[in-house]
Amino acid sequence: GDSVTQMEGPVTLSEEAFLTINCTYTATGYPSLFWYVQYPGEGLQLLLKATKADDKGSNKGFEATYRKETTSFHLEKGSVQVSDSAVYFCAPMRAGSYQLTFGKGTKLSVIP
Amino acid sequence: DVKVTQSSRYLVKRTGEKVFLECVQDMDHENMFWYRQDPGLGLRLIYFSYDVKMKEKGDIPEGYSVSREKKERFSLILESASTNQTSMYLCASSFPYGQGPTQYFGPGTRLLVL
Repeated sequence: GDSVTQMEGPVTLSEEAFLTINCTYTATGYPSLFWYVQYPGEGLQLLLKATKADDKGSNKGFEATYRKETTSFHLEKGSVQVSDSAVYFCAPMRAGSYQLTFGKGTKLSVIP
Repeated sequence: DVKVTQSSRYLVKRTGEKVFLECVQDMDHENMFWYRQDPGLGLRLIYFSYDVKMKEKGDIPEGYSVSREKKERFSLILESASTNQTSMYLCASSFPYGQGPTQYFGPGTRLLVL
């Protein structure tokens, strides 16, 4: 079945540092790829997504590029803020399916 | 604004009790999902419904059942709660078309089974 390997956390960064959270996946065909974020005490919300190879999803200063050749969808942000402290989930959705396969999540803490 | 609501934020139940978790969405979505979230395991799909009265098992359906009598409402039922069902339960909904439809999540119900 489909699977996701996500960078293990927790990750602690100082404010304005550069962030990368690695994500690689195995899925048949051409999945859509998602990053979801969960702020403390809340449910998940979509951060960004990409639906085909070489697409770049972006939102709130975060970016991720769909790399089919390396089956990766790494999340990056150039300058993190304290308000970015949250748990980040990578999740592919197999083409023709509406089900997401979630990674284990990466907890990010940003300190002032 | 899409809204997915769950009936309780926190719930405490006894082993053996029957537990109902309710989820309501206001976006006329056909698809609805129930997940459980556990530390170190991420989210795992329990059940999925793609229409009223339709359901499909997810990855971990054992010990759970679901009900979807109306399009906007999807219930998760623990027939006889056990301590290993202590978890955070998240409901989500989405449209059934388009490439990579976004799933919208509720705030979650944290269930403790004693």
